[in-house]
Amino acid sequence: QVQLQESGPRLVKPSQTLSLTCTVSGGSISSGAYYWNWIRQHPGKGLEWIGYIYYSGTTHYNPSLKSRLTLSVDTSKNQFSLNLSSVTAADTAVYYCAREISSGWYGNYFDYWGQGTLVTVSS
Amino acid sequence: DIQMTQSPSSLSASVGDRVTITCRASQGISNYLAWFQQKPGKAPKSLIYAASRLQSGVPSKFSGSGSGTDFTLIISNLQPEDFATYYCQQYNSYPRTFGQGTKLEIK
Repeated sequence: QVQLQESGPRLVKPSQTLSLTCTVSGGSISSGAYYWNWIRQHPGKGLEWIGYIYYSGTTHYNPSLKSRLTLSVDTSKNQFSLNLSSVTAADTAVYYCAREISSGWYGNYFDYWGQGTLVTVSS
Repeated sequence: DIQMTQSPSSLSASVGDRVTITCRASQGISNYLAWFQQKPGKAPKSLIYAASRLQSGVPSKFSGSGSGTDFTLIISNLQPEDFATYYCQQYNSYPRTFGQGTKLEIK
């Protein structure tokens, strides 16, 4: 059973960088069949896709966050990470990591999600 | 970006009822549409992909249909554990986008 687990600081000061790591267990992050995503949810609001990284390092970012966002992958640790710079209170949200499976005929869809971690931006 | 619009935004129903949630895309997305269930304080759970295909382990009381721009999620024989918020999501193109959610409440 694949499991994803987010980790990182829960409190970040404004203007600093928000850093989170997602650890994947029960499967290899290096499998070519998957894309590794970050998604966030502002308190009481809907879901916003942040971006994905492929095991090779290829990335695709949401244009709304692209200027502040860096995703990276460490295949030796079966982890991928998010760095979001110059944060403000508007970046306060629950951050989820999720696996996107490349299924061919049925397209690339999310199947497994981490439990999520609330990150608060405040001084 | 493709905009996803769900209706209704909230819905009250009773145990045993059958409910329908609709999702409309601002442009055609073929059948690249997924549905998720989210309970308070929990991560979204994947229910359906490719508009109508159930994720492994999801009961057949959930069904999806549609193609192009209009999609529906039907939940039959509602049970207490089904009361949650449901989201649709398109994966035809990037950025991936979600509907605003439909909160299903017990009447």
